[in-house]
Amino acid sequence: EVLLSESGGGVVQPGGSLRLSCEASGFSFNRYVMTWVRQGPGRGLEWVSAISVSGDKTFYADSVKGRFTISRDNLKNTLYLQIYSLRVDDTALYYCAKDVTPGGTGMLIDNWGQGTLVTVSS
Amino acid sequence: QLVLTQSPSASASLGASVKLTCTLSSGHSDYTIAWHQQQPEKGPRFLMSLRSDGSHRKGDGIPDRFSGSSSGAERYLTISSLQSEDEAVYYCQAWYTGIHVVFGGGTKLTVL
Repeated sequence: EVLLSESGGGVVQPGGSLRLSCEASGFSFNRYVMTWVRQGPGRGLEWVSAISVSGDKTFYADSVKGRFTISRDNLKNTLYLQIYSLRVDDTALYYCAKDVTPGGTGMLIDNWGQGTLVTVSS
Repeated sequence: QLVLTQSPSASASLGASVKLTCTLSSGHSDYTIAWHQQQPEKGPRFLMSLRSDGSHRKGDGIPDRFSGSSSGAERYLTISSLQSEDEAVYYCQAWYTGIHVVFGGGTKLTVL
């Protein structure tokens, strides 16, 4: 069974930083593109960032470029999202998700984590 | 740039069928999408991937009541024999150029 378990969320002041983690199990983590998606209160799903299988290619939504850094450790089966310069509008539930295709170069999500809540407030 | 368009809301009666639509922007009519369901107060769940030829692959445990089809730039999700637990927001999702992921705005389905 595929399991994605996010952690690292919390309450942070504007301008602060956080590192989110997503521990993966039940599949060959090092063969799948991975992604972060967030959902603000009462809002739809918003893509944040994606990373290639080896981690050499990273992609970001314009809204987070320059402030968020995605990375992965294929030995630890863990995906990360380092968030800097947090803003109030970054408040959201952050989900990690995996691609449907092993060794793929795109992202059709076929499994989601349960999410970790980031609240940015003074 | 790829844009996915969904109607904000839909409704249908218990036991009936409903067809939800996701429209791909011009120039992207051959793209494969995924459908996801988000029930109230829950995380999203993958329903199926859906190709331009209408072939689809469902996620584990997704009932036969859920099916997909395609016509040109439109991707459909049909839910038959509607049940109360089908009341949810349904999102379509795709990707383009490099790995940039796009979601539709979601359709909130009300089961009457």
